[in-house]
Amino acid sequence: QSALTQPASVSGSPGQSITISCTGTSSDVGGDNYVSWYQQEPGKAPKLLISDVNNRPSGVSNRFSGSKSGNTASLTISGLQAEDEAEYYCSSSTTSSPLGVFGTGTKVTVL
Amino acid sequence: QMQLVQSGAEVKKPGSSVKVSCKASGGTFSSYGIGWVRQAPGQGLEWMGRIIPMLDMINYAQKFQGRVTIIADKSTSTVHMELSSLRSEDTAVYYCARAAGLETTYYMDIWGKGTPVTVSS
Repeated sequence: QSALTQPASVSGSPGQSITISCTGTSSDVGGDNYVSWYQQEPGKAPKLLISDVNNRPSGVSNRFSGSKSGNTASLTISGLQAEDEAEYYCSSSTTSSPLGVFGTGTKVTVL
Repeated sequence: QMQLVQSGAEVKKPGSSVKVSCKASGGTFSSYGIGWVRQAPGQGLEWMGRIIPMLDMINYAQKFQGRVTIIADKSTSTVHMELSSLRSEDTAVYYCARAAGLETTYYMDIWGKGTPVTVSS
């Protein structure tokens, strides 16, 4: 099972919106709606941001939103803030394993 | 709110085994699974396996089949992950996380802080 494809880096200025893509296949992202997104700050454990494509867990800022079209899922961060600087990973269920598959990760830089 | 408390850092010799524990504090496993994910230095997240204690269901990533063992002690709400035949490439931080979903993993919503494992002669 190959990792889902994410851009290595995305940057934006404070207040701007950025979007991170996560591209897979019809066997994973394009299949069931079990796409999730995680934020990982340096030296810390990942934190769940989005589940089930676009569901935000309690306590997660509404500046984070998720969507999906075909085999590509997206995470949008609106009103970018300095504290959003982190690595972001997508994950999806896949027909080839009950475990799922992670994306390659995207480093977000706030200019 | 449930927390996952992991055991401490380990330093191991090549060829040996390491056992990392993950205890659920302030809650029980219920119908959730516990997944194990590792992250090598400067690298991304990598699945190792998952156990659903309520069903005694265990799934391992193909890459680790034969080298990883995951067991659950329901009496202490603790899950253990053992990785054998260690090599330098196994140097990583090992995370446990609460995993929702049965036939597949939907998401992982509670994570342990991670256990650094260093493999060095």
